[in-house]
Amino acid sequence: EDQVTQSPEALRLQEGESSSLNCSYTVSGLRGLFWYRQDPGKGPEFLFTLYSAGEEKEKERLKATLTKKESFLHITAPKPEDSATYLCAVQGVDSNYQLIWGAGTKLIIKP
Amino acid sequence: NAGVTQTPKFRVLKTGQSMTLLCAQDMNHEYMYWYRQDPGMGLRLIHYSVGEGTTAKGEVPDGYNVSRLKKQNFLLGLESAAPSQTSVYFCASRLTAGSYGYTFGSGTRLTVV
Repeated sequence: EDQVTQSPEALRLQEGESSSLNCSYTVSGLRGLFWYRQDPGKGPEFLFTLYSAGEEKEKERLKATLTKKESFLHITAPKPEDSATYLCAVQGVDSNYQLIWGAGTKLIIKP
Repeated sequence: NAGVTQTPKFRVLKTGQSMTLLCAQDMNHEYMYWYRQDPGMGLRLIHYSVGEGTTAKGEVPDGYNVSRLKKQNFLLGLESAAPSQTSVYFCASRLTAGSYGYTFGSGTRLTVV
């Protein structure tokens, strides 16, 4: 059964303090792994898609990496506006193009 | 550039009442989805549609029905609301099965008392 686990559940950082969020996954064959950002009271907003182990993608202070069992979302020198819940999802080759979602990591950046 | 629009944004229902949630997209997307989001859990797929006139069951379809009579609209119905259906409901769409960037609406917060 395809499964996604995100850790930690919540992370509090000071502004400028770099860290990483983890997304561990189990899937029969990976078609893609996705990172989304969700602000309170809003729908998820697409950030990245990663397709194969070793792939990396960057956007401003965020960098996503992928291995065969997990993905990391690295946040470098975060700012308060990076505060949000970050969601990870996977799509397996046997999933009929449906996504399996993790519960998310709530990131709080204190000024 | 409205994207995906959900109505209503908030609703309180009494147990046993029925209601319909509306999702409208203006991007000519083929695929549309209804998810529910509960605290401590990932988004769970209720129903989805791969094109006008088609619907299919997702992970948690019981107690819900859907219709996609027009390509741009995807309706989610609750036949007889139960407290277990208290949740935030999100509609999403994407152009094709191979386009991975889902576009989400802003959600409907439903409380069943």
